[in-house]
Parts: sequence; structure tokens; C-alpha cells
Amino acid sequence: DAGITQSPRHKVTETGTPVTLRCHQTENHRYMYWYRQDPGHGLRLIHYSYGVKDTDKGEVSDGYSVSRSKTEDFLLTLESATSSQTSVYFCAIRKTGGVDTEAFFGQGTRLTVV
Amino acid sequence: GDSVTQMEGPVTLSEEAFLTINCTYTATGYPSLFWYVQYPGEGLQLLLKATKADDKGSNKGFEATYRKETTSFHLEKGSVQVSDSAVYFCALSVGSNYQLIWGAGTKLIIKP
Repeated sequence: DAGITQSPRHKVTETGTPVTLRCHQTENHRYMYWYRQDPGHGLRLIHYSYGVKDTDKGEVSDGYSVSRSKTEDFLLTLESATSSQTSVYFCAIRKTGGVDTEAFFGQGTRLTVV
Repeated sequence: GDSVTQMEGPVTLSEEAFLTINCTYTATGYPSLFWYVQYPGEGLQLLLKATKADDKGSNKGFEATYRKETTSFHLEKGSVQVSDSAVYFCALSVGSNYQLIWGAGTKLIIKP
């Protein structure tokens, strides 16, 4: 257990509403990531962070923003949710950016946009 | 760019059968290679890894050898169990890139 908590675990929201997902870690790892998982696409990186207030875009960042004001928390916001953002969202952490450093994953958040 | 290609699933086997899930990669530099497993309703967890050519990663009866000459990292297990049913992801990490590059995942179904 790498001390990662995602909240909420399940959410149903309406199109056009803002949604924020939270990832909390207890081990002060520097690197944090948000992925979405969809059938046939595997894991796709949305945004990542390499320190407090240091974030960057991944391959599918459109429609998403992130914030990291504390080492332990990484927030993912859907500014105006769309049905195409229905997915399972995973947060991951890595201790360093070294090539041999493994990632630890949260349990996931299942988001449904209706 | 860097990429990972896995065999498409689902792969369906009988209990005690031999398992191979193919993974090949394209990378500049010298990547580390990983296999992750995702059980139903859970997040991904590391199964094994190898950090340089000819290294063999192993865990829970699974093995994979880092083959630089064929740019491959195939996952094998000699005798699968029903409890091995899951989705398996191959991934690589290379250079100063902070990211892990993921394959699409292979769903494994083991029948009793």
C-alpha cells in the first residue's frame, strides 16, 4: 500500500457541470500523474506534476486542468464535463523521475457524465 | 516517439496452461521495462521490472526477459491459475522523461 487515496470513488454528474477529483498521498512522492482508462485505449496521461505548483500536460489534456498546492494533493478538474469524459480515472505516484522507478496507483474513480 | 505494443486480447487459457503475452517497444536511449497487473475493480500494481538488457524480472511465477536485440519484453508463466485472470500492461520509462509509456493492455481469462 503506497498510501494513495482517490476521492470520490464513484461520481455521476451532468453535462456542463464542473467536477473535481482528488488524489491524496501520504508518502511525499515528488511525481504525481492523472490517467484515464478507456476500453481499447489502455492508460492515457492527462496531466502530471513534478512538484508543488509544477505541472505539465499529457497526451489528452484538453478539457482538464490540475492543481498541486501541497505535495500530498493533486487535483484534477473537469471545467465543464462532457459525455466523452466518462471514464475511469487513476492517480499514480512515483518517488523520482528515474527510469527504474515504479509507479503506484490509486484505486480509481469511476466518473459518469450524463 | 517512444511506444509499446502488446498483443491484443482477450487471451483465454485453461488452468495450468503456459502463458505468453507479447510486448515489443520502440524507444530512444535505454529504457526500463515494466509489467503491471490490474485485477477487476482495482488499480494497477507492479508485477515485475527489468532495468537493463538481458535482465530477467520475476514475481509470483511470472517472468520476463529484457531483449534489446528484439526490443521485446514478453511475459511468461509456466502454469496459470484462475486467480491470474486480470488485465496485464507492459510499460517503459526512458531518459529524462518523467512519464511511463503504456501498452494498451491484454486481458487474460483463465478457465477452470
